[in-house]
Formats: sequence, C-alpha cells, structure tokens
Amino acid sequence: DGGITQSPKYLFRKEGQNVTLSCEQNLNHDAMYWYRQDPGQGLRLIYYSQIVNDFQKGDIAEGYSVSREKKESFPLTVTSAQKNPTAFYLCASSPSRRQGGYTFGSGTRLTVV
Amino acid sequence: DAKTTQPTSMDCAEGRAANLPCNHSTISGNEYVYWYRQIHSQGPQYIIHGLKNNETNEMASLIITEDRKSSTLILPHATLRDTAVYYCIALNYGGSQGNLIFGKGTKLSVKP
Repeated sequence: DGGITQSPKYLFRKEGQNVTLSCEQNLNHDAMYWYRQDPGQGLRLIYYSQIVNDFQKGDIAEGYSVSREKKESFPLTVTSAQKNPTAFYLCASSPSRRQGGYTFGSGTRLTVV
Repeated sequence: DAKTTQPTSMDCAEGRAANLPCNHSTISGNEYVYWYRQIHSQGPQYIIHGLKNNETNEMASLIITEDRKSSTLILPHATLRDTAVYYCIALNYGGSQGNLIFGKGTKLSVKP
C-alpha cells in the first residue's frame, strides 16, 4: 500500500543535541512538507520541497534544516539552535505544490529532556 | 490565501448529522475550500474539497454558499470515531505559496 512513513514515533533528545526525523513516501509525489504542531494549536509550516534538490523555508524555519536528495525522502533536522523543539512534527506529501490533497504521516513526537 | 473562521468546538449526538460551518468571506475566485480532520495524536486526514459546486464523497458532503463566503461540512451520520478536530482551509493554487495553512479548527465531540 502507498503511504508516508515517519520514524520514530517518539523521540527524546538532550538539550544541545541535533536530531533528525525521518520521512519517506512511496506515493511518487513531487512535493513534501514538514509541519510543527504544539498542544491545542494548528499546524505551522517549517519547510517544503517541490522537487528533488530544492526546498523552501516555511513560516518557522529557524533552527531547522532539511534535505531532498531523493524524491522519496525528506528528512528534517532539529538543530540545537531551535529554542523550543518539544512538539509534534508532521510530514506530508502531495502530487505537486498546487494540489491540496495532502497525505500526512502519523507524526513524530519530540521531547527535549 | 483567504483566512477562514471556525467555531472552537461543537457537540453532536451519535447517529445524527454533524454540520460544521466555516466562514471564508475574503475568499478569491481561484481559491478552493479544503477540509481535513485530525484525530488525537495522528496526522490530519483529507476529507473533501470544492470550488463552487457542492461536493459529496463517501466520508462527507460539502455545501458552499453561492457567494462562496462560507461553507458547511456535513457528516451525515456521525459516529464516535468522528470525534476529531476539523480544519477548513482556503487554498490558492495560483498563489506564491500554495501551501495549506491550518488554523485551530473545530473540535467536534460526538456523544453517545
């Protein structure tokens, strides 16, 4: 079955450490996205990518980095520069940026300890 | 992209229709209305979208007013599993961003 997979589901990180969240899709979608969700809030866009080797900053890109070396993969690194990294992170994909029928992964809950 | 306004929360009795309103009074002619829902601690799930005409699929119906300033998502026979946060989003395919912007949505509680 086609879908989008995020791993791990839960992640704990010590302050000052970088951590990378995985996102893989087998839907042959060109566009991929990373969102952050805080308790009781909507989703905020971190980064998005329309095509391999290209990505753009979203609304809250500071303290995060991404890469898009393969169409299927769009990993997100939460760096030590991110001041408040504890959150629920969601990855999504769509056939192209201009199509709103996003498919979401099940999310990674990151906790800084 | 147009801003959307939704009630913070709603209740619905199991088996009854759930009607979730959304106001998008500043929507432009090329903006679609999308609906997603998010069950606690899961990724959002696409429900339905439309431009002008009413739409129906196996999950829900979408009624868009003639002036397109508001819409209603209808779950015809709500079940306990429909308890979730429902997001109404206006998406401009031609916009510079063209990305979905999620607000706080409506928390729907379906009660036995």
